[in-house]
Amino acid sequence: RKEVEQDPGPFNVPEGATVAFNCTYSNSASQSFFWYRQDCRKEPKLLMSVYSSGNEDGRFTAQLNRASQYISLLIRDSKLSDSATYLCVDSGGSYIPTFGRGTSLIVHP
Amino acid sequence: GAGVSQSPRYKVAKRGQDVALRCDPISGHVSLFWYQQALGQGPEFLTYFQNEAQLDKSGLPSDRFFAERPEGSVSTLKIQRTQQEDSAVYLCASSLGAGGLRNEQFFGPGTRLTVL
Repeated sequence: RKEVEQDPGPFNVPEGATVAFNCTYSNSASQSFFWYRQDCRKEPKLLMSVYSSGNEDGRFTAQLNRASQYISLLIRDSKLSDSATYLCVDSGGSYIPTFGRGTSLIVHP
Repeated sequence: GAGVSQSPRYKVAKRGQDVALRCDPISGHVSLFWYQQALGQGPEFLTYFQNEAQLDKSGLPSDRFFAERPEGSVSTLKIQRTQQEDSAVYLCASSLGAGGLRNEQFFGPGTRLTVL
């Protein structure tokens, strides 16, 4: 069974801080991954995709380390609005995505 | 714009009651997924449709769970003889292409099911 492991946190950081989360996956054949953001009592929404070595979008950077089978999400200059749960997703090279349990981020003033 | 919609948003059922949850995907989306999300957990895959074909139902927890998408658009997840452990948020997601690989999933707001 494919596994995606995340530290549930919470990660409690001040505004302006840089924070990073890791996500490990068990399926060595996996080729594509995603980070979704989920606000409390809301649906998940796509934040970033990670297909090769990494991806960058503004303050957010996602990286893939195939040798160690993990992906990371780096958030620079944290904003209060970044507070949410971040879900790591392994598409598994097939049509069934596997979600991690999520990492909770709390950004405080 | 029209996103994925689900109804009802909230459902309270007595144990043993049958329930039906509806998902309206984005028009033209080929793929449709159902997930179950318990509190503090990530979404757990239940079943996957490509158009009207149910290609995978390996995540359905028991034969009390049944899903259909007869015309390749709207989908219904039915739970028979509900049990307390069925209480969760049921999320529906659709994507434009076939499968989860490299295809962004758009999620509906979910149906929060509480079984008393």
